[in-house]
Amino acid sequence: AQSVAQPEDQVNVAEGNPLTVKCTYSVSGNPYLFWYVQYPNRGLQFLLKYITGDNLVKGSYGFEAEFNKSQTSFHLKKPSALVSDSALYFCAVREMRSGGGADGLTFGKGTHLIIQP
Amino acid sequence: NAGVTQTPKFRILKIGQSMTLQCTQDMNHNYMYWYRQDPGMGLKLIYYSVGAGITDKGEVPNGYNVSRSTTEDFPLRLELAAPSQTSVYFCASSYGRARGIAGANVLTFGAGSRLTVL
Repeated sequence: AQSVAQPEDQVNVAEGNPLTVKCTYSVSGNPYLFWYVQYPNRGLQFLLKYITGDNLVKGSYGFEAEFNKSQTSFHLKKPSALVSDSALYFCAVREMRSGGGADGLTFGKGTHLIIQP
Repeated sequence: NAGVTQTPKFRILKIGQSMTLQCTQDMNHNYMYWYRQDPGMGLKLIYYSVGAGITDKGEVPNGYNVSRSTTEDFPLRLELAAPSQTSVYFCASSYGRARGIAGANVLTFGAGSRLTVL
């Protein structure tokens, strides 16, 4: 079984400061990892993904995430936070397996990111 | 492109009533999904489909049914509404294996349907 943990329900950051939203995962084999963002009253939007290759992945809106296999983590980061980054962020995982399939992703519970002016 | 369109956006049901949440996508995606989102619980997969005529259960299928008669449409049916089905429902779609496993998991979501069962 695969699972995702987002240990923080809420993260507060001052505008202009760096931000980190934490995510750890558990899969039987190698993972595909994703970050999605949800703005109020909207559906989720894809931010970035790790499939293979460089451990540092760059995505939309200046976000990046670092894959750390030994710590089974995929933390989301941004060097300088904007008030408009305030939203609900979801980490998601699926196991990399040759059979593929569409049984979808396993999502974390989400972390509210609040950027204070 | 409209992307993924869900209707209705809001609905209040009485216990025991039935309804269908509509979902349509215009991106020619093969894969479609229904998730429910409950506060503090993340998203749970209800049903999914890899193409017209093919559907399968996700993590929380009880109390729901789906059909996929066309590539574009993937309606979700609630037969006997219960208070436990009060939630926000999201339809999503993706390209599927034609874009590799990675592409299959880059989902495009609809704006959601908020359902309350009283």
